[in-house]
Amino acid sequence: KQEVTQIPAALSVPEGENLVLNCSFTDSAIYNLQWFRQDPGKGLTSLLLIQSSQREQTSGRLNASLDKSSGRSTLYIAASQPGDSATYLCAARGGGFKTIFGAGTRLFVKA
Amino acid sequence: DAGITQSPRHKVTETGTPVTLRCHQTENHRYMYWYRQDPGHGLRLIHYSYGVKDTDKGEVSDGYSVSRSKTEDFLLTLESATSSQTSVYFCAISGPQETQYFGPGTRLLVL
Repeated sequence: KQEVTQIPAALSVPEGENLVLNCSFTDSAIYNLQWFRQDPGKGLTSLLLIQSSQREQTSGRLNASLDKSSGRSTLYIAASQPGDSATYLCAARGGGFKTIFGAGTRLFVKA
Repeated sequence: DAGITQSPRHKVTETGTPVTLRCHQTENHRYMYWYRQDPGHGLRLIHYSYGVKDTDKGEVSDGYSVSRSKTEDFLLTLESATSSQTSVYFCAISGPQETQYFGPGTRLLVL
């Protein structure tokens, strides 16, 4: 059974810092891995999706990597801003369209 | 933003009553999903649909049923609501690239 873990559970950084959020999964037979952000009381916003055949994806200040063999993905945020404060979730899609989410990392960027 | 709406956005009901939540999309995407989000459990898949009248169970499907008679609508029904079904319910859709887009959520309180 797939399990997805995100470390750390919470993170507080000063504005401008580069940071890395970690996501690990137990079953490497995934089709893709997706990163989301969620603001309090809101739905999820898709950030990046990495297909199983890809190693990384980039969008603006965000870069996500995928290493299936080690069961790990990272989300790199460059030059963090207060507006980046949110909960970041990773989700691994396996067979049968079943997507397993991690519990998330709560990020607070201090001005 | 993907065109996904959920109704109602908030609902309070009593134990034992039936409840139907509606998800409507304007993107003509084939795949639709229902998730619930709970503190300590994160997001969990309830049911999903891979086409009109084609649905399957997720990891927490007990006590829920779904129907999809049109591409744009995916209904989630709680036949007899229980307090354990108090949660925030999210609908999601995905297209050929498999990126999942989420609706704004429905907050359900079962008294």
